[in-house]
Amino acid sequence: AQKVTQAQTEISVVEKEDVTLDCVYETRDTTYYLFWYKQPPSGELVFLIRRNSFDEQNEISGRYSWNFQKSTSSFNFTITASQVVDSAVYFCALSEAGREYGNKLVFGAGTILRVKS
Amino acid sequence: EAQVTQNPRYLITVTGKKLTVTCSQNMNHEYMSWYRQDPGLGLRQIYYSMNVEVTDKGDVPEGYKVSRKEKRNFPLILESPSPNQTSLYFCASKGDGELFFGEGSRLTVL
Repeated sequence: AQKVTQAQTEISVVEKEDVTLDCVYETRDTTYYLFWYKQPPSGELVFLIRRNSFDEQNEISGRYSWNFQKSTSSFNFTITASQVVDSAVYFCALSEAGREYGNKLVFGAGTILRVKS
Repeated sequence: EAQVTQNPRYLITVTGKKLTVTCSQNMNHEYMSWYRQDPGLGLRQIYYSMNVEVTDKGDVPEGYKVSRKEKRNFPLILESPSPNQTSLYFCASKGDGELFFGEGSRLTVL
């Protein structure tokens, strides 16, 4: 069965600190996709990244970077030099590729990130 | 502009009073789904639809109905809402491997 675990319920940092949000997943499929979404206080879900299971290259986008390691089933997200605007709930999610799964995203419980000035 | 539109965005209702949350997408996507978000549980899929007239249960379908009569619309129906359906609801459609979410509908059942 698919499962996504975000063990960190809440993280508080001071502005300019680096912070890493952990994500561990379980799947029996060899083809799958991993996602990160941001949910700011306004409530909408903002897509950050999608990574397929065959691409283990790390990704960097500005202050954001993602570390995908199949050996440990982890897809961690790092924010460098955090800013107050990064305060949000962050969700990691997994989707298996087979149509029989209904294209479902399985979400982790989310990590609340609070960045203090 | 490509978007998924949900209405209403906020609703307070009472137990047993039927309500419908509408969802419409303008991207001609075949796949649409509904999720609910609850603290500590993340988002969980309620129902999904692979195409017109094709719907199926997700992980938490109890107490909900859906219909897909047209490609662009996928309403979520609560025939007899109960307080445990108080939640934040998201509609989504899928295209090019990415899920596009609506802005969410916050529902409170008293």
